[in-house]
Amino acid sequence: QVQLQESGPGLVKPSETLSLTCTVSGGSISSYYWSWIRQPPGQGLEWMGYIHYSGSTNYNPSLKSRVTISLDTSKKQFSLRLTSVTAADTAVYYCARGVVYGITGPWFDPWGQGTLVTVSS
Amino acid sequence: EVVLTQSPATLSLSPGERATLSCRASQSVSNYLAWYQQKPGQAPRLLIYDASNRATGIPARFSGSGSGTDFTLTISGLEPEDFAVYYCQQRGNWPPELSFGGGTKVEIK
Repeated sequence: QVQLQESGPGLVKPSETLSLTCTVSGGSISSYYWSWIRQPPGQGLEWMGYIHYSGSTNYNPSLKSRVTISLDTSKKQFSLRLTSVTAADTAVYYCARGVVYGITGPWFDPWGQGTLVTVSS
Repeated sequence: EVVLTQSPATLSLSPGERATLSCRASQSVSNYLAWYQQKPGQAPRLLIYDASNRATGIPARFSGSGSGTDFTLTISGLEPEDFAVYYCQQRGNWPPELSFGGGTKVEIK
């Protein structure tokens, strides 16, 4: 059974870079779309981007200039970097596996438990 | 950019009742739509993909329908554990610009 676990600092200062890592256990890292999704407190979900096993990436246009997602297959980890953060980036950050069925998807299953990142000085 | 609008924002029902949740897309997404359930303090869980296919382990009381711009998630008889927030998610043309709806909260009446 695949499990995902986020790790990284829970507090980041404004204008600095937020960095998180997701570790995948119990399954293969091949052929999936490894994704980051965030949720500000009390609000809805926002897809940030994904990286495919092949290395190709796709980002939310609203974040594209600030987001980088990378993959380390040897460690079965993928990472998120978000630059120039502000208070508006305070959120629970989830990593998730994106699954494609035929030509549809990716659909997110499973998700990590999420990690709260607060942007504050 | 495809915008997903969910309605109602809140649905107040009693256990055993039928819940009908709506998700409307600003343009056609074919059947490229999924539904998720999120309970307080937990990560979302995939319920339905391709508009009408149940994910692994999802009870039969959950069903999805629709195509194009109008979609529905139906819970045929609410169990106590079904009171939660539900989100729809679409995948547009490839490479996809993914997005979620704003959510519907199903609360106990």
